[in-house]
Amino acid sequence: AQSVTQLGSHVSVSEGALVLLRCNYSSSVPPYLFWYVQYPNQGLQLLLKYTTGATLVKGINGFEAEFKKSETSFHLTKPSAHMSDAAEYFCAVATGQGGKLIFGQGTELSVKP
Amino acid sequence: EAGVTQSPTHLIKTRGQQATLRCSPISGHTSVYWYQQALGLGLQFLLWYDEGEERNRGNFPPRFSGRQFPNYSSELNVNALELEDSALYLCASSPLLGRETQYFGPGTRLLVL
Repeated sequence: AQSVTQLGSHVSVSEGALVLLRCNYSSSVPPYLFWYVQYPNQGLQLLLKYTTGATLVKGINGFEAEFKKSETSFHLTKPSAHMSDAAEYFCAVATGQGGKLIFGQGTELSVKP
Repeated sequence: EAGVTQSPTHLIKTRGQQATLRCSPISGHTSVYWYQQALGLGLQFLLWYDEGEERNRGNFPPRFSGRQFPNYSSELNVNALELEDSALYLCASSPLLGRETQYFGPGTRLLVL
C-alpha cells in the first residue's frame, strides 16, 4: 500500500527566506512522485514530478525537489520565497501508468512581508 | 493548448437530488480521473476512466457514478445527495504516453443544502 505524509499542515516564512516543505512516502514499488500547488478557489497546478532518472527535479516558479530513496523523502524547496507563493501544496505518489494518485494532507504556506 | 475544463463552476442542490458534473480533458488525453476534496478529508480518488471504460474506483458508495464519452469527455453523477457530499470535485486528465502525470481542472464546487 502507498501513503504520503506531509510534515506540517502550516508553514510560515518571511519573504526572501528559504521554503522547505516536507514529504515522506511509503511505496512497495518504485514510486512516481509529484508536487502540486493549489491557490484559493482554484484547481491543482503541477509544480514538478519525479518519474525516473535524475533525482533532483526542477519545476516551475523556482521550486525544486530531491528524491531520496534511502530516506523515502521528496521535499520541496525554493531558495527565496515570494508573496505569490502563498498557497496550499500537496505531495502525491503514484505507482505506475494510470490509476489514482495518493495525496498527502497538504501544507499551507504563508509568506510574511 | 487548452487545459482541463469543468462545468459548472458552482452547483447548489438539496438533499436527495441528483448532481451531474462535466469534464473535458486536454486535447489528446485519453484518461480522466475524478477526485473529491472535502473540508477536513483531503483529496480522495473517486473514479478513473480510460478509453470509455471504468478502470478503477475509490472507496465511495455506488451512488457516485460516471461515464466517459467517445470524445473522452466525462460526466460524474451523484445520486441521492447527502450533506456530506458538499465538496470541490476535481477532474484530471492524462495522456496515453506519460499516463502517470495528471493535469487538473479548476473544479466544480458542489453545495448540498
